Amino acid sequence: AQKVTQAQTEISVVEKEDVTLDCVYETRDTTYYLFWYKQPPSGELVFLIRRNSFDEQNEISGRYSWNFQKSTSSFNFTITASQVVDSAVYFCALSAPDSWGKLQFGAGTQVVVTP
Amino acid sequence: DAGITQSPRHKVTETGTPVTLRCHQTENHRYMYWYRQDPGHGLRLIHYSYGVKDTDKGEVSDGYSVSRSKTEDFLLTLESATSSQTSVYFCAIGTAVNNEQFFGPGTRLTVL
Repeated sequence: AQKVTQAQTEISVVEKEDVTLDCVYETRDTTYYLFWYKQPPSGELVFLIRRNSFDEQNEISGRYSWNFQKSTSSFNFTITASQVVDSAVYFCALSAPDSWGKLQFGAGTQVVVTP
Repeated sequence: DAGITQSPRHKVTETGTPVTLRCHQTENHRYMYWYRQDPGHGLRLIHYSYGVKDTDKGEVSDGYSVSRSKTEDFLLTLESATSSQTSVYFCAIGTAVNNEQFFGPGTRLTVL
């Protein structure tokens, strides 16, 4: 069975601080995909990134960066120099290639950025 | 943005009434999904479809049924709504490429 754990329920930071969101996953599959989605207060779900299990290269996109470590089954997400617009719920998700694309989501982490 | 619409966007209904939520896509994607979002649970899969008339159950399918008679439409039906089905419902579409999914705007359903 697949499982995604986001242990942090809520993180509050002051603008310009860095914030790291933890994601730990469990799967028996040797090949899988990991995702991060953002849900701003308006409610829509915005795709941020997808990583394949065979590509452990970390990635940076603007103020966002992702640290994928297979050895610890973690796929952490960092926002550098946070801004008020980063306030949202962030979801980590897991999918296996032969699972018809079904996503297993974590419970989400609420990020609150105050000015 | 992917062309996905959901209707209605908001609905209030009473316990015991049937409810149908519609998801419509203009992307011609093969896979469609229905999720529900509840505090503390993230999104949980209700049902999914891997083609016209091909559907299967997800993690929380009890009390729900689905139908897909056309590629573009995926209907979610609550035969007899209960208060525990008060939730935000998201439709998603996807392809076989990298399992990436795109989500609709969501439907907020309240069952009184």
